[in-house]
Amino acid sequence: NAGVMQNPRHLVRRRGQEARLRCSPMKGHSHVYWYRQLPEEGLKFMVYLQKENIIDESGMPKERFSAEFPKEGPSILRIQQVVRGDSAAYFCASSPSGDVAPLHFGNGTRLTVT
Amino acid sequence: AQTVTQSQPEMSVQEAETVTLSCTYDTSESNYYLFWYKQPPSRQMILVIRQEAYKQQNATENRFSVNFQKAAKSFSLKISDSQLGDTAMYFCAFMKRGGSEKLVFGKGTKLTVNP
Repeated sequence: NAGVMQNPRHLVRRRGQEARLRCSPMKGHSHVYWYRQLPEEGLKFMVYLQKENIIDESGMPKERFSAEFPKEGPSILRIQQVVRGDSAAYFCASSPSGDVAPLHFGNGTRLTVT
Repeated sequence: AQTVTQSQPEMSVQEAETVTLSCTYDTSESNYYLFWYKQPPSRQMILVIRQEAYKQQNATENRFSVNFQKAAKSFSLKISDSQLGDTAMYFCAFMKRGGSEKLVFGKGTKLTVNP
């Protein structure tokens, strides 16, 4: 059973470009979470999605960031007009249900904005 | 809002010895989970151990055990017989039960196991 798959592993963007990060949850998992890890920091919650629904986006910056989890395909975290401060590792995690379960994390995407 | 504090930015231990990582948290919730995650240089987040707040018994997983003091809001991780592969960042995390499964992380402790 493959784990949570994130791609790309590394992504370099120039300021002003768009970044698209992908996450495929574990098989059978319908709940996806995105976290951001700034250098020397712990992970910080961004958004929680179920298929076709955003459940909690309280950690998402109000501008330039969006997330989706369509009925088919991976979850996408999209960052428009990236700035240097967006440089971080972005982690996706999944769980099988809304009941509390250990979250299974992907290996993250490291975004570097030049 | 919940907060998690790890007061030891870095620690080191000799191989085969025991080390304890500290974690305190602040919450008004009574029903929650606490976790320790390990992040090696590969960047993968690996669940080490989980504790349910309503359980008084401390969780153990092989060489890893916790000291959960609910009244003191303390959740320390003890690693026995330390191995070189234990070298990693260790993050303490809190999750309110019945919420949206948001994890609140501490800033981490960098553990180095020396040969």
